[in-house]
Amino acid sequence: GAVVSQHPSWVICKSGTSVKIECRSLDFQATTMFWYRQFPKQSLMLMATSNEGSKATYEQGVEKDKFLINHASLTLSTLTVTSAHPEDSSFYICSATQLSSGIYTDTQYFGPGTRLTVL
Amino acid sequence: DAKTTQPPSMDCAEGRAANLPCNHSTISGNEYVYWYRQIHSQGPQYIIHGLKNNETNEMASLIITEDRKSSTLILPHATLRDTAVYYCIVRAFYNTDKLIFGTGTRLQVFP
Repeated sequence: GAVVSQHPSWVICKSGTSVKIECRSLDFQATTMFWYRQFPKQSLMLMATSNEGSKATYEQGVEKDKFLINHASLTLSTLTVTSAHPEDSSFYICSATQLSSGIYTDTQYFGPGTRLTVL
Repeated sequence: DAKTTQPPSMDCAEGRAANLPCNHSTISGNEYVYWYRQIHSQGPQYIIHGLKNNETNEMASLIITEDRKSSTLILPHATLRDTAVYYCIVRAFYNTDKLIFGTGTRLQVFP
């Protein structure tokens, strides 16, 4: 159980185009989903937190108009990189929280990641 | 959330126990210790978490010192597939679910 998928697993696009990445919780309802970015040989950096039906909360320094997040259902969140540039090339990873009934020790489960290359 | 300190890298022979330390000297009473690992070019994988008691599951054991200022993740019989970066993270239970990743420990399991 607790499987998170991402699509696509990798994408190559031209500079100036927009790219959409999907994150799905396959066997549970995710109250909260998160988006991370990871550059080579670096750790994961949290970009934003999204709750179903509400606006995402972005971390300091992350441009909300560039990284559009939509969390339309309890099983799907999307990240759209608008007007992508080569510096946006990175490994994008989503995660989802599955609440354990009665105890707030919810665990985050991560997707396999999407590698974006902007030419 | 409290910060953690981990050694940047460790080696372990296949079949032996891998003991990964983590210092979290400023941990608060309501903060849990989580361990995740990331195999190259994959998303992080949840391993285990605990508050103050030792925990064990099918993947690993977590030993938390009595003063909760440090912990050790134990992989009892390391295999080559356990080669990964291991992250120790502390997070308050009332936090908005954020996991803040540090630099982790790169564990290399060798034959």
